[in-house]
Amino acid sequence: RKEVEQDPGPFNVPEGATVAFNCTYSNSASQSFFWYRQDCRKEPKLLMSVYSSGNEDGRFTAQLNRASQYISLLIRDSKLSDSATYLCVVLSGNTGKLIFGQGTTLQVKP
Amino acid sequence: NAGVTQTPKFRVLKTGQSMTLLCAQDMNHEYMYWYRQDPGMGLRLIHYSVGEGTTAKGEVPDGYNVSRLKKQNFLLGLESAAPSQTSVYFCASSLQRAGDSPLHFGNGTRLTVT
Repeated sequence: RKEVEQDPGPFNVPEGATVAFNCTYSNSASQSFFWYRQDCRKEPKLLMSVYSSGNEDGRFTAQLNRASQYISLLIRDSKLSDSATYLCVVLSGNTGKLIFGQGTTLQVKP
Repeated sequence: NAGVTQTPKFRVLKTGQSMTLLCAQDMNHEYMYWYRQDPGMGLRLIHYSVGEGTTAKGEVPDGYNVSRLKKQNFLLGLESAAPSQTSVYFCASSLQRAGDSPLHFGNGTRLTVT
């Protein structure tokens, strides 16, 4: 079983829709959690960190559920420019290294 | 403001050839990393460095070597390329250890080994 798992999608949604992605992690000792965004054929960039209490940045909300070992990313009022692959990243409690999920691809249609 | 710069952007090698990927950062970051990204898989850590003159193995180090002679540069070498090393390679740097500060990635190097 992979340490970090994501549904690869693609998720195809119309502009203005609300979409949510989940990411599960297998190691309960995992310490920190992040969402990175990667545009097609570009490098990943940090979108937001995920805090235990949940956090929001504009149209983006990240949540952590330690009991069920998953994190989520909610995007409200989707824009065409939100089309990208969203990478779930977990700081491994075993190795202290970042573990990347394979990514979830979002395609926002006009 | 260059950030992290990788060269080359593209390369095609024949099996058995060697090459060096160059990574340079101008942010005075201590930590530098080399990842590879393959379809259907997350980025996997090849080697990393926690400071000038130091290197350490990551998750998939076999077939690669690295050097960090200067703080701003992190080189990734393939001594004898194999088709399994066809991938997109990303260099990254961070001010503090991974997880304590964001990773800043270069634009990537697309390598094909035939």
